[in-house]
Amino acid sequence: DTAVSQTPKYLVTQMGNDKSIKCEQNLGHDTMYWYKQDSKKFLKIMFSYNNKELIINETVPNRFSPKSPDKAHLNLHINSLELGDSAVYFCASSQLGAGNTIYFGEGSWLTVV
Amino acid sequence: TQLLEQSPQFLSIQEGENLTVYCNSSSVFSSLQWYRQEPGEGPVLLVTVVTGGEVKKLKRLTFQFGDARKDSSLHITAAQPGDTGLYLCAGAPGTYKYIFGTGTRLKVLA
Repeated sequence: DTAVSQTPKYLVTQMGNDKSIKCEQNLGHDTMYWYKQDSKKFLKIMFSYNNKELIINETVPNRFSPKSPDKAHLNLHINSLELGDSAVYFCASSQLGAGNTIYFGEGSWLTVV
Repeated sequence: TQLLEQSPQFLSIQEGENLTVYCNSSSVFSSLQWYRQEPGEGPVLLVTVVTGGEVKKLKRLTFQFGDARKDSSLHITAAQPGDTGLYLCAGAPGTYKYIFGTGTRLKVLA
């Protein structure tokens, strides 16, 4: 069983469209994250939720809206997609607290054309 | 803005060589982790260090956390093609999040 699974793995869409990426973890963790990895492989945190509550929001445009229906799921909705949104988006989970292992999904490769 | 700088950014070596990757910051971290990422996959944890000066070994990999908890190094002995990947350090400035380093892309040639 995949610990952190996200769908879709690949997404090609036109500028201006709205798209969603779904994420689920079966590790029983209380904290989930969305990270963005750009073409230079820089991995930057976007959001973090703990028990469905937003605890980190890192200067991300309002077009990005995370939603956590329960602590096992964290979805990412993106409105009015722009070329600069093209990247790999990683969902991850961990137990709350520094020093705990962060488990990553396989990534969702978003290309905006 | 807290930043973790890794060096070198790229490294291409022959099988059997040794190498060291550095992770530096001006900030103090409560803990620091190293991850390896292979193409098409998410990063996978290699090690966590929490005490200044701590050294941990994982087979041919040796990790060290700086005394002041601002920097770390990863040393690989007798590198193998299977070590190829993107190495990322990640520091925790507080309780809730990790900041990832700029990454080191390692290629080990057979």
